[in-house]
This record gives sequence, structure tokens and C-alpha cells, in this order.
Amino acid sequence: GAVVSQHPSWVICKSGTSVKIECRSLDFQATTMFWYRQFPKQSLMLMATSNEGSKATYEQGVEKDKFLINHASLTLSTLTVTSAHPEDSSFYICSARGTSGKTDTQYFGPGTRLTVL
Amino acid sequence: RKEVEQDPGPFNVPEGATVAFNCTYSNSASQSFFWYRQDCRKEPKLLMSVYSSGNEDGRFTAQLNRASQYISLLIRDSKLSDSATYLCVVNPPGATNKLIFGTGTLLAVQP
Repeated sequence: GAVVSQHPSWVICKSGTSVKIECRSLDFQATTMFWYRQFPKQSLMLMATSNEGSKATYEQGVEKDKFLINHASLTLSTLTVTSAHPEDSSFYICSARGTSGKTDTQYFGPGTRLTVL
Repeated sequence: RKEVEQDPGPFNVPEGATVAFNCTYSNSASQSFFWYRQDCRKEPKLLMSVYSSGNEDGRFTAQLNRASQYISLLIRDSKLSDSATYLCVVNPPGATNKLIFGTGTLLAVQP
């Protein structure tokens, strides 16, 4: 099956620092990757959609300068939370959509739990 | 009104019970529908897609009622391992890649 990995699985950082989260599709090429955020007892909220080689499309209310997304290859997308604050503490999940044979399904990574002190 | 609404539960049922979850969606032009399962502090995993004609996968049956804009999931012969949060997910019109998640319904199967 399709496998998506995320790194790190959890991170604790001080307020004001930047944190980079990696999302990789391990056994398929992903033209499109998605970044979600989930607060406790809430639903997953789509933050942005990234397509390989182009700028990400951000959902309304998501600051593009704060959440930097790079999708430099068909197997890697990164999300950088810049100048993180405690309210950014959340569960960040990526998903990937394949180029062929797996186009109908988004495959989710295991998530990254961010805690900002 | 939320785009996707679910009863948050929790649903506490004994092993072997049959349990049903409902979900409503606000955009009548939505195209695709799914049920995902999410275990505590884990990523969501696709349980099944929901087709207009209804579909079954083992103990799980999904139904779609477009006229009423609701989706259901029926679990028969509940197992302890079915305990999880079940997420109703809708693909809105005009956005092939976008998934809108409900807040989920928590199921706890008791021994």
C-alpha cells in the first residue's frame, strides 16, 4: 500500500523558534500534498494544498508567511511554522495524492505533534 | 451551519452490538463521500468510500441519501478493536482534491 511518512513525530520548542516538518511519500510519487491541522477534540482542518514545483494554495485564514510550504519534489513536502507561539501547538498531518493508480485516495502521514512552550 | 456535521458521541456499546452513525453535509452538490477511522493520537485512515447505491465491506455498511444530504455508517457485530473515532468526510464540488472532515463520532466498544 501507499506509505506516507512524517518527521519528526513530535517536537517541543520554545516560543519564537521555527519548526520544519517533513512529509514524504515513500513508495509513490505525489503530485499533490496537503497539510492539515487538528486541535484537540476538533476535526482536521485543511491548511494548504501544495503541488510539486508550484506555490501552495492556502485556505482562508491561514497565514502563508507563517506557515511556509515547499514541495520541491514528487516525494517531499515541508511545512515550516515560523516564529511559533503556544497557540500553534497542534497535531499537524500531511497527506499525499498519487500521480497514477492511486489518484482517488489521499494517504495520510502519521502526524507531527507540535508543542510550543 | 457546519459543512459536515456529526454527533460527537460517545457511543458506548457492548461487544456484538450493531451501531449506526449519521452525518449530514451542507452542500448538495458535493460529489464524493468517505468514512475514515481515527485512533487516538493517530492519523485518519480510510475505512470506506460511500457510493450512491450503498456499499458493504464485511461488517461495515455505508449509505448515502442525496435528497436528505446525509450519510450513514452501520457497524454490525462490534469488536473491541472497532473502538475509535469515525470521521465523515466530504469532497465539496469544484475542488477535486479537497476533503472536509466532520468532527468525528467516538465509539467505545465495551467487553
